[in-house]
Amino acid sequence: EPEVTQTPSHQVTQMGQEVILRCVPISNHLYFYWYRQILGQKVEFLVSFYNNEISEKSEIFDDQFSVERPDGSNFTLKIRSTKLEDSAMYFCASSDGNLYNSPLHFGNGTRLTVT
Amino acid sequence: SQQGEEDPQALSIQEGENATMNCSYKTSINNLQWYRQNSGRGLVHLILIRSNEREKHSGRLRVTLDTSKKSSSLLITASRAADTASYFCATAYSGGGADGLTFGKGTHLIIQP
Repeated sequence: EPEVTQTPSHQVTQMGQEVILRCVPISNHLYFYWYRQILGQKVEFLVSFYNNEISEKSEIFDDQFSVERPDGSNFTLKIRSTKLEDSAMYFCASSDGNLYNSPLHFGNGTRLTVT
Repeated sequence: SQQGEEDPQALSIQEGENATMNCSYKTSINNLQWYRQNSGRGLVHLILIRSNEREKHSGRLRVTLDTSKKSSSLLITASRAADTASYFCATAYSGGGADGLTFGKGTHLIIQP
């Protein structure tokens, strides 16, 4: 069964550094998402991406965050200058339709630790 | 803001028993979805129930939705040790199709062998 893959599985970075989290969504999917989960807390929506542009973003997704689909397969999340509070699991998800019709398929996440 | 909130936060039962988890939310929804998360892994979609549906089944899973009470329940029958995981409800707001799902805090289910 096709799956969403994320790399790296664990990223440690120093405060103020830039990080890029990578995702390969399922190949025929059209909608892409990033979520994050701070340890022990809710899964929180960051951003949705469709037709090569951001569809929606949450309050968390400020100017420090950006997303890109640089080619036909990868979907990346960049955090420009990491803060301690950015430490979390970051999940990429994709779907073949919008949220009215299609469930999300999640990757196994990247654990980001900011020191 | 619309939120899915599950209860109980944690549930421990014996293998073979049924497990029931509840979810409440605050605003109008297009659909409600349940996901499972094994420790350290991504979320796996279990079932999607639309706002005009009242009950849905998938294998040992049964989901109900009561839009008048803004609540849903997930029943897992004849539980197995492999069902040990966290279970989340997530709502899709009816006002837009590309918005993210809103997840609850989850119920951590432990199945004792």
